[in-house]
Amino acid sequence: EAGVVQSPRYKIIEKKQPVAFWCNPISGHNTLYWYLQNLGQGPELLIRYENEEAVDDSQLPKDRFSAERLKGVDSTLKIQPAELGDSAVYLCASSHGGEQYFGPGTRLTVT
Amino acid sequence: GQQLNQSPQSMFIQEGEDVSMNCTSSSIFNTWLWYKQDPGEGPVLLIALYKAGELTSNGRLTAQFGITRKDSFLNISASIPSDVGIYFCAGQLAGAGSYQLTFGKGTKLSVIP
Repeated sequence: EAGVVQSPRYKIIEKKQPVAFWCNPISGHNTLYWYLQNLGQGPELLIRYENEEAVDDSQLPKDRFSAERLKGVDSTLKIQPAELGDSAVYLCASSHGGEQYFGPGTRLTVT
Repeated sequence: GQQLNQSPQSMFIQEGEDVSMNCTSSSIFNTWLWYKQDPGEGPVLLIALYKAGELTSNGRLTAQFGITRKDSFLNISASIPSDVGIYFCAGQLAGAGSYQLTFGKGTKLSVIP
């Protein structure tokens, strides 16, 4: 069974530029999560989807971050415009009513 | 955001030694999870604990869900070089449709051959 797929794996952009990350969850997993992981820290939840509905986005900085999961499968997380402090690893995870399984993450560097 | 207290932050051990790390919280959780993260990869689930007092093993790994539901520990026996990585504990409070995970800051394990 394929795991959670994320792309790109690495992204380097200049500040004020937009950036987007893509996630394909494990087949059949209706719950999808986006996490932010800063260096030396554990992951922190940004947003959680149940199918296509965002049910917990309280930690998402909505002035510059947005996410969508239009058909309840793949998801995209966008930052516009990016700031230096957004440099981090963005992790996607999925679950089916229980344990969460993580993708490899996208390492974002904002210069 | 809220994080768990995980200790130690890092440890250096000789190959073959046993390892113990733990996680404590001021809040109770219904589930405790232990993940391992290798450089450049996402966390990989090692063990999941669902019941207070539960002791679960996965190969050389053993984890326990504390009786108070506010702590958990992970033991690794007879460490080998591939055990190197960062180990995260995570607490999950499932209820009212919420499955949010709260992570510790991780324990970085180095194994000296």
